[in-house]
This record gives sequence, C-alpha cells and structure tokens, in this order.
Amino acid sequence: SQTIHQWPATLVQPVGSPLSLECTVEGTSNPNLYWYRQAAGRGLQLLFYSVGIGQISSEVPQNLSASRPQDRQFILSSKKLLLSDSGFYLCAWSVNPNQPQHFGDGTRLSIL
Amino acid sequence: AQSVTQPDIHITVSEGASLELRCNYSYGATPYLFWYVQSPGQGLQLLLKYLSGDTLVQGIKGFEAEFKRSQSSFNLRKPSVHWSDAAEYFCAVGAGGSEKLVFGKGTKLTVNP
Repeated sequence: SQTIHQWPATLVQPVGSPLSLECTVEGTSNPNLYWYRQAAGRGLQLLFYSVGIGQISSEVPQNLSASRPQDRQFILSSKKLLLSDSGFYLCAWSVNPNQPQHFGDGTRLSIL
Repeated sequence: AQSVTQPDIHITVSEGASLELRCNYSYGATPYLFWYVQSPGQGLQLLLKYLSGDTLVQGIKGFEAEFKRSQSSFNLRKPSVHWSDAAEYFCAVGAGGSEKLVFGKGTKLTVNP
C-alpha cells in the first residue's frame, strides 16, 4: 500500500533563517505531488505541484520554492523565512489528476 | 476554472442527530468531487469521492454524499452523528485536464453530548 511521510511534524524557526521541509511517498511510481499551506480559517492554499522529476509549477509568488530531486521526494524550501510564512504545511500525492489526493500529517511551522 | 463554496463555516449538532454539510461547485462539465475530514493538527483524510456513475456515493465512517448536477451540489450526509465526528470538513472539486483540486474553505463541525 502507499504511504506518505512528512517531516518534521513541528518546527520553530527565527525570522530570516532557511527552511527545508521534506515529503516522501512510498508504494507508487511517478505520483503527482503537491504542497499546500493552511492558515487558520482560510482553507487550503496550493503552493506548488509537480507531475514529474524536476517539473515544478508554482501557484502563488512568494518566499518559498519547491524541488523534486527524485521521483517520490518533494521538498519545500526558503532561503529567508518571513513571519508570514507561519502556518500548517501539507504534502499530498495522487496517482493522476482524476483521482483523490492523499495527504501527509503536516508540519506546523512557527516563525519567531 | 472550477470553484467550490461551503456556505456554512461552523455547524453544531447534538450527538445522534442527522447531519448535512453543503457544498456547491462551479464548473462547466462533469466534475470530480471529494469530501475530506481533518481533525485538529492532522492531515486531511478522504471520506468519499464521486468520479462518475451512481450519483449517491458511500464513504467511510458512515458518510454518504449525493451529486446533483441540476443544483451543482455535492452535500455530505450522515444519519446519526457521533462525538468523534467533530472535525473540519472540506469539499474539493477537480476537472478533467487539470492536475489541481480546488478546495472549499471548510465547515467546522461541533458535536454536543
């Protein structure tokens, strides 16, 4: 069966520090991968998605970037965090666009 | 582009009562529709999906939803709510040819004993 792992579960970072959140999927090949941010009361905001290695689509211009160095690995990064980057970050995968997305347990990011 | 509206931000029901959460979508063709549930601090769990065929779909945890094309709706129902159903519920719509889902803003469900 397929599983998705996200880490870390929680992270506290100072303003201006770098960020790296990692997501890996097991049990499937060539999944579509997604990064979302969830702010309180504002639903899910799609940040990036990828349909293959090295292919990244950005939905919202911002302080973040994403990379897909391997088929089942998706990384969310920032060179310098802002206070506004605080939130709950979710990674998801799907077999294809017409199938459901399956979510990881999320990373709670707090910026001080 | 597709869009989703969940008109109710917060709903409170008593344990054992029936539940209906509303979801309206906007899309020109037949959409793919999903309901997810999220407990505090957790990821989203898929409850059910409509891809094609029978418009009444059954999901996990005793939930069902009905796709009504004429009303552009995909409402989630449960005949008898349990305290453990307290969570936030998200409706999502996908469209053929798009790699993305569009999520509603969610409905928070509170269950009174």
